[in-house]
Amino acid sequence: QSALTQPPSASGSPGQSVTISCTGTSSDVGGYNYVSWYQQHPGKAPKLVIYEVSKRPPGVPDRFSGSKSGNTASLTVSGLQAEDEADYYCNSYAGRRGVFGGGTKLTVL
Amino acid sequence: EVQLVESGGGLVQPGGSLRLSCAASGFTFNIYWMHWVRQAPGKGLVWVSRLNSDGSDTSYADSVEGRFTISRDNAKNTLYLQMNSLRAEDTAVYYCARDRYGDSIFDCWGQGTLVTVSS
Repeated sequence: QSALTQPPSASGSPGQSVTISCTGTSSDVGGYNYVSWYQQHPGKAPKLVIYEVSKRPPGVPDRFSGSKSGNTASLTVSGLQAEDEADYYCNSYAGRRGVFGGGTKLTVL
Repeated sequence: EVQLVESGGGLVQPGGSLRLSCAASGFTFNIYWMHWVRQAPGKGLVWVSRLNSDGSDTSYADSVEGRFTISRDNAKNTLYLQMNSLRAEDTAVYYCARDRYGDSIFDCWGQGTLVTVSS
């Protein structure tokens, strides 16, 4: 199972919006609506911020949103804040085995 | 409070073995699928293994198949990862993660335990 493809980095100024893509195949991202996104600050465990493509867990700000088109999912962070600076990973259900994206480092300029 | 706490990490020589544990609390452990995910120093998250709620169905990443064994003791609310024939490339922080419904959505993570394979 190959890793999902994410850009290694993304950046934006406070208040701006940034979108991170996650490209897979019809066997993972394109085949199921079980795409999730995780935020990881340095030295910390990952935290779920989006699940089932576009749903937010309780406590996650509505500045975080998700979408999917074909084999590509996207995470958008609107109204960037300093605390959004972190690594972001996508994940998709892919049958018996799991698969993550390579991760995107989001920098708030 | 929902909590996962890993333990058992440490320094081990190449070819050695180690068993990781993940103690669950604050939720009904025996209805959840569980996974192990690892992260090498400075690298991204990599899925390692998963186990269904009653322990009857397992799967592994190609890189650990035949060397690692995932198991659980629902009476003790604990998940395990037995790691044999360890290699330098197995060096990583190992996280256990709770899977909502077997759909690979990880809604709770432990803090991780570091495994270092080195002579």
